[in-house]
This record gives sequence, structure tokens and C-alpha cells, in this order.
Amino acid sequence: AQTVTQSQPEMSVQEAETVTLSCTYDTSESDYYLFWYKQPPSRQMILVIRQEAYKQQNATENRFSVNFQKAAKSFSLKISDSQLGDAAMYFCAYRSRNQGGKLIFGQGTELSVKP
Amino acid sequence: EADIYQTPRYLVIGTGKKITLECSQTMGHDKMYWYQQDPGMELHLIHYSYGVNSTEKGDLSSESTVSRIRTEHFPLTLESARPSHTSQYLCASSNERGWYNEQFFGPGTRLTVL
Repeated sequence: AQTVTQSQPEMSVQEAETVTLSCTYDTSESDYYLFWYKQPPSRQMILVIRQEAYKQQNATENRFSVNFQKAAKSFSLKISDSQLGDAAMYFCAYRSRNQGGKLIFGQGTELSVKP
Repeated sequence: EADIYQTPRYLVIGTGKKITLECSQTMGHDKMYWYQQDPGMELHLIHYSYGVNSTEKGDLSSESTVSRIRTEHFPLTLESARPSHTSQYLCASSNERGWYNEQFFGPGTRLTVL
């Protein structure tokens, strides 16, 4: 069975600085997708960024980028120029190609942004 | 505007009551999901559906049941609520075409059983 691990329950960053959130996963499959979701306090969960396992190039979305290391089964999220609105719970998630649309989530990392 | 809705947002209820959590989406998505999330914890899939009249249990065992009679509607029912059911329940949907497509989440229902 696949598992997703986020070893940082809490992280803090100064406004305008850069922060990296860690995520590791375990799978025997070679074809899958990885996601980072953001859950602001009392607000809906939204997708931040996604990565296809067969693509070596790291995904980027504006200030958000990932460092995908397939052999190490690592998928970290880097947030550049942090803003107060980035404060939220961040979840790493795994999706197998062979199990439909089901997502497996990590435990989450609560990010706080200091002004 | 295309979106996914959940009602009620908050529910406090006594033990033994029957409850139904509503989830509707206006995006025309075929796949819908129910997740359970304890405060500050990860989400666990409890039910999913790939289309009308299709429902499956997820990875986390749950005493709840679901139905999918209409594409846009995916209600979750607890026949007899217990304090152990206290949690947040999140509904999500995704497009059948292309398994890569993201899941869109509703705002959640925070359930407290006294």
C-alpha cells in the first residue's frame, strides 16, 4: 500500500522569504501523480501544484515550485516570496494511475507567515 | 458559477440521531468522494463514486453510507450518530476524462455528536 509522510507538523517563515515543505512517499508503482494542496483556516482546500511521475522536469506555478526526486521518493514544495495569504495547512497527496482518482494524503504541515 | 457545495457547514447533534450530510456539484463531474478529517490531521477516503448508481467504500472503514442517484448529488448518511463520528467531512469531485484531473473540494461539514 502507498503511504505519504510529511515530517514537519509546523513550519514558520518570514514574509517575503522562502520556505520548503518536505514530503516523502512509498510506492512500488512507476506511474503516478503527486499533488500539494492548501487548506486555509475555515476555507476550502485548493490545489497548489501537481507533478507527473514520468516527467523529470520539476513543476512550477508562479511562486510555488517542487523538487521531485523520484528515486528518493521525495516531493518537496518551495514557496518563494512568502505572503501572509500563504498561511495554511499544506497537504502532500499521492494518486496512483491504477486506482482511479483516489488520493492518499500526508499528515499535513501547518505553515505560519510572520509579517 | 460551477462549484461544489456542502450543507450544513456545522452540525451539533445528539447521540442516536440519523443525519444526512449533503454534497452537490455543478461542474458535471462523474467522480465524487467523501473524506473524513480530524482537526489538524490528514484526510482519509471513506467513500467514492465513479458515476450514477456506483459507490465504493474507501480506505478508512466508516459506519456511514452513501448514494449516487443523480450525477450532481452525493449525500452521506449516518443512521445512528455517535460521539466517535465527531469529525470534519469533506466532499470532492473530479472529471472522469483524464485521471490526472484535480479533485475540487467543498467547504466541509464539521460534525459534533454529543
